[in-house]
Amino acid sequence: QKEVEQDPGPLSVPEGAIVSLNCTYSNSAFQYFMWYRQYSRKGPELLMYTYSSGNKEDGRFTAQVDKSSKYISLFIRDSQPSDSATYLCAMSGDNYGQNFVFGPGTRLSVLP
Amino acid sequence: NAGVTQTPKFQVLKTGQSMTLQCAQDMNHEYMSWYRQDPGMGLRLIHYSVGAGITDQGEVPNGYNVSRSTTEDFPLRLLSAAPSQTSVYFCASRLGSQRTEAFFGQGTRLTVV
Repeated sequence: QKEVEQDPGPLSVPEGAIVSLNCTYSNSAFQYFMWYRQYSRKGPELLMYTYSSGNKEDGRFTAQVDKSSKYISLFIRDSQPSDSATYLCAMSGDNYGQNFVFGPGTRLSVLP
Repeated sequence: NAGVTQTPKFQVLKTGQSMTLQCAQDMNHEYMSWYRQDPGMGLRLIHYSVGAGITDQGEVPNGYNVSRSTTEDFPLRLLSAAPSQTSVYFCASRLGSQRTEAFFGQGTRLTVV
């Protein structure tokens, strides 16, 4: 079993749809949870960052962490064609300098 | 502010050749790392460094060497290129604390024939 699993996609939705992207993980020591967005032929960029359990909202984006289920989600409301990208979840433990572990990514296409 | 700069952007190598992928950051970040990204595999950590003079292996270090003589630079050396090393390589940097963002370069697309 991989340390971080992610729905592989690809996922195609119409413009305006609500998108749900998910990751599961096995390491209970993970405390920091991130979502990165990667456009084609570009490097990943940080989209959302949460610590421990709970929800965090930023505009059209909401990140949820459920540590009891070892499950994290990213919701995109009113999706736009510009949201078409690969979304990578990433997580880390609490030790200084500890490495991030990335999921394989979900490719999302939002169709106009 | 340039952020993380990788060179070259594209490279084709013959099997057995060696080369160095360059990575430089101007944010005074302590932590730097190299990943490779392959379809369906996500980002896999090759080597990382928590400061100048300190490096360590990641998940897939075989066939690669790194050094960190300065805070700014973290080159990745391919010792004897193999077709299995065909991939997209990303360099990333961040402050050491977990509570900080990792910044990625634009990537180097390497093909080994």
